[in-house]
Amino acid sequence: KQEVTQIPAALSVPEGENLVLNCSFTDSAIYNLQWFRQDPGKGLTSLLLIQSSQREQTSGRLNASLDKSSGRSTLYIAASQPGDSATYLCAVRRFSGGYNKLIFGAGTRLAVHP
Amino acid sequence: SQTIHQWPATLVQPVGSPLSLECTVEGTSNPNLYWYRQAAGRGLQLLFYSVGIGQISSEVPQNLSASRPQDRQFILSSKKLLLSDSGFYLCAWGRGQAQQGNNEQFFGPGTRLTVL
Repeated sequence: KQEVTQIPAALSVPEGENLVLNCSFTDSAIYNLQWFRQDPGKGLTSLLLIQSSQREQTSGRLNASLDKSSGRSTLYIAASQPGDSATYLCAVRRFSGGYNKLIFGAGTRLAVHP
Repeated sequence: SQTIHQWPATLVQPVGSPLSLECTVEGTSNPNLYWYRQAAGRGLQLLFYSVGIGQISSEVPQNLSASRPQDRQFILSSKKLLLSDSGFYLCAWGRGQAQQGNNEQFFGPGTRLTVL
């Protein structure tokens, strides 16, 4: 059974710091891995999607890496800003029961203070 | 462009009452549709998914049911709510066949359900 774990569960940093959020998964047979952002009481916004054949993806100040063999992904946030405060979720997509499915971690709650 | 709507945004219901949450997608056809629940402090749990009208698959046994009466409409229902049904319900859609491995999922704004 695929399990996704995110560490740390919560993080509070001053503005300007570079951050690393960690995601690990137990079964390396995944199609891809997706990082999402969720603001309080809101839906999910997709940040980055890394295919299983890729090692990393970049979008602006965000960089996500994937090491499928070791079951790990990291989301790197450069020069953090208060507007980055949100919960960050990672999810792996795998084939199960006839369909591909997203399996989510519990998230990392990030607070960036001025 | 594609958009996904959910309503209501928030709902407070007594135990034992019925439930109907609606999700609609615009700007695409034959999407794969998904219902997730997010309990406090926990990750999203897939409840139902659908690859077409009238085709519903349940991921976990529960007090809820889903229906897809139209191509871009997905409904989550219950005949009698339980306290444990409280949570944040998210609808999502994805492109293409569900069997394809690389399609992203795009999420709606969610419905906050509180059962008292």
